[in-house]
Amino acid sequence: EAGVTQSPTHLIKTRGQQATLRCSPISGHTSVYWYQQALGLGLQFLLWYDEGEERNRGNFPPRFSGRQFPNYSSELNVNALELEDSALYLCASSLSLLGGRAKNIQYFGAGTRLSVL
Amino acid sequence: DQQVKQNSPSLSVQEGRISILNCDYTNSMFDYFLWYKKYPAEGPTFLISISSIKDKNEDGRFTVFLNKSAKHLSLHIVPSQPGDSAVYFCAAMYQGAQKLVFGQGTRLTINP
Repeated sequence: EAGVTQSPTHLIKTRGQQATLRCSPISGHTSVYWYQQALGLGLQFLLWYDEGEERNRGNFPPRFSGRQFPNYSSELNVNALELEDSALYLCASSLSLLGGRAKNIQYFGAGTRLSVL
Repeated sequence: DQQVKQNSPSLSVQEGRISILNCDYTNSMFDYFLWYKKYPAEGPTFLISISSIKDKNEDGRFTVFLNKSAKHLSLHIVPSQPGDSAVYFCAAMYQGAQKLVFGQGTRLTINP
């Protein structure tokens, strides 16, 4: 069974540009999460999507946005890139946590390394 | 505001001995804790978890202990093997938020 897949593996952009990162969850998983791991920092929660809607958001500016498609895959968009956006962006998926389901384990992809020059 | 802390950036253990990784948290609302292992160029891999209603969970060579009064958890690996060399992250969450709060990680090196 395929795990969480992310593309591209590496992405190089310049300041002010936009970046789009993609994630396909494990089959059967409807919850998708995005995390940022900047150099020297731990993993920081960015966004959580389930059933096509944004369910929770971390402490990041609005230029970080995303969406979830009907097939539960997801995109993370970062607009007006800044140098400090350079980081490893990790996507995770889990079974749906809606409806009071007990906590589910999040499974991670290998990440997209974004470099902003 | 670091709600989950792993105070040891690195740990070196001899093969066959016990590895003990520690994690402290400050938010008393956390009710579910997880440990992940991460190799270079890979995403974090889930290892083991524990709910706040328990104080111990075991899975093969891995055991997680939770001390709620001290807001402390630990991961024991016994016996340690060379393949255990990786960065270990402690993570916590609470119902409703459904987001993981991670510690900074501890780099474990198993020496032959």
